[in-house]
Amino acid sequence: RKEVEQDPGPFNVPEGATVAFNCTYSNSASQSFFWYRQDCRKEPKLLMSVYSSGNEDGRFTAQLNRASQYISLLIRDSKLSDSATYLCVGDGGATNKLIFGTGTLLAVQP
Amino acid sequence: DTGVSQNPRHKITKRGQNVTFRCDPISEHNRLYWYRQTLGQGPEFLTYFQNEAQLEKSRLLSDRFSAERPKGSFSTLEIQRTEQGDSAMYLCASSFGQPRHYGYTFGSGTRLTVV
Repeated sequence: RKEVEQDPGPFNVPEGATVAFNCTYSNSASQSFFWYRQDCRKEPKLLMSVYSSGNEDGRFTAQLNRASQYISLLIRDSKLSDSATYLCVGDGGATNKLIFGTGTLLAVQP
Repeated sequence: DTGVSQNPRHKITKRGQNVTFRCDPISEHNRLYWYRQTLGQGPEFLTYFQNEAQLEKSRLLSDRFSAERPKGSFSTLEIQRTEQGDSAMYLCASSFGQPRHYGYTFGSGTRLTVV
């Protein structure tokens, strides 16, 4: 079982839609989580950190449920430019590295 | 210095040849990481350095792979006797302190194709 698991998608949504991605993690020692965005054939870029209380940045909201070991990302009012792969990331607990999920592909259609 | 720099951007090599990639991290970042990413997968951890010390290596890093960070600044990743299964994007990332606080900054990657 992978330490961070995501639905690979693809998620095909029309412009303006709201879309939610889910992610689960297995390492209960993980403390910090992130969402990274990766465009095709580009490097991953940090989208947002995930705080216990939830974190909102414009159209993006990230939430963490430690009891269920579950992380989510909500994108409201989707834009064509949101089309990308979204990577769920957790810290490795006692290890000093980040663990990446396989990514969820989002395609926003005009 | 505005980011993590990787060279070359692309490398095509014949099976059995050796290749070396370079990574220049953000100058004030003391931690440097190498990851490998294949199509449809997330980045997979290979190894990391804190300053010049290599502190962890993944089981993915076979004995054909070696990484160095001799002066605690740039790093090199060498693959000896390349195999077709080595074809992937090799990503370098750096962080200041533990990445759990602020995450990583990635370089643009080196795309390796073994023919």
